[in-house]
Amino acid sequence: GENVEQHPSTLSVQEGDSAVIKCTYSDSASNYFPWYKQELGKRPQLIIDIRSNVGEKKDQRIAVTLNKTAKHFSLHITETQPEDSAVYFCAADDTKTSYDKVIFGPGTSLSVIP
Amino acid sequence: DTEVTQTPKHLVMGMTNKKSLKCEQHMGHRAMYWYKQKAKKPPELMFVYSYEKLSINESVPSRFSPECPNSSLLNLHLHALQPEDSALYLCASSLSYGGETQYFGPGTRLLVL
Repeated sequence: GENVEQHPSTLSVQEGDSAVIKCTYSDSASNYFPWYKQELGKRPQLIIDIRSNVGEKKDQRIAVTLNKTAKHFSLHITETQPEDSAVYFCAADDTKTSYDKVIFGPGTSLSVIP
Repeated sequence: DTEVTQTPKHLVMGMTNKKSLKCEQHMGHRAMYWYKQKAKKPPELMFVYSYEKLSINESVPSRFSPECPNSSLLNLHLHALQPEDSALYLCASSLSYGGETQYFGPGTRLLVL
C-alpha cells in the first residue's frame, strides 16, 4: 500500500520568513495530494490540495508543488504569521483500495516566532 | 450546512461502560469515515462507509462498533474499552470515493479510565 514520508518533523521560522515542508510517496498511481493544518485541540482542516494533472497550485501565501516523476510534493508558506503555527499533515490517496482512502504523513509541527 | 458535526465533544468512560459517538453531515456526502488520533500523530483510519455500507474495517477491535443509520449519520458504539483507547475520535465525510476531499468534524476527545 501507499507510504507517505514527511520532513522535517519540526520547523521553527521567524515571522515573515518562508516555510517549506516536503513529502514523498510510494504509490506511483496516486493522483490526489491534500494538505491539512491542525491547530492544537482543533480538527484537521484542508488548506490546499493538488491533483496529478498539475505541477503547482497557489492560494495566496500557500503553494504546493508536485513532482510525479520523483514522487514528491511540497508545501510552501510565504510571509509566515504566528497564526500559521500548527501541525501540518500531507497525504496521498491509496489507489490500491476501492474506496476513498488517503494515507497521512507523520506531520510537521510548525512554529512561527513573532 | 457545510460542516461535519460531532457529539459529544468530550467523553469520560469506565472500562465497563457502553457509550456512543455521533457524527452528522448535511452536505450530501456519500462516504463517511471514523479516525482515531493520538497526540502528535496523524489520524489513523478505523472505518469507511460508502453509500451507507461498511466498505472497510481497518482491523479495529470489536469493542468499537460502527453504524450508519442513513446517509447523513454515522455512529460509533463503544463497549469495554481499554485505557489505551483514549484518543481524539474524528469523523470525516467526502462526496464519494476516488480522490475526493475529506472534511473533518471537530472530534470527540475520549478518556477511558
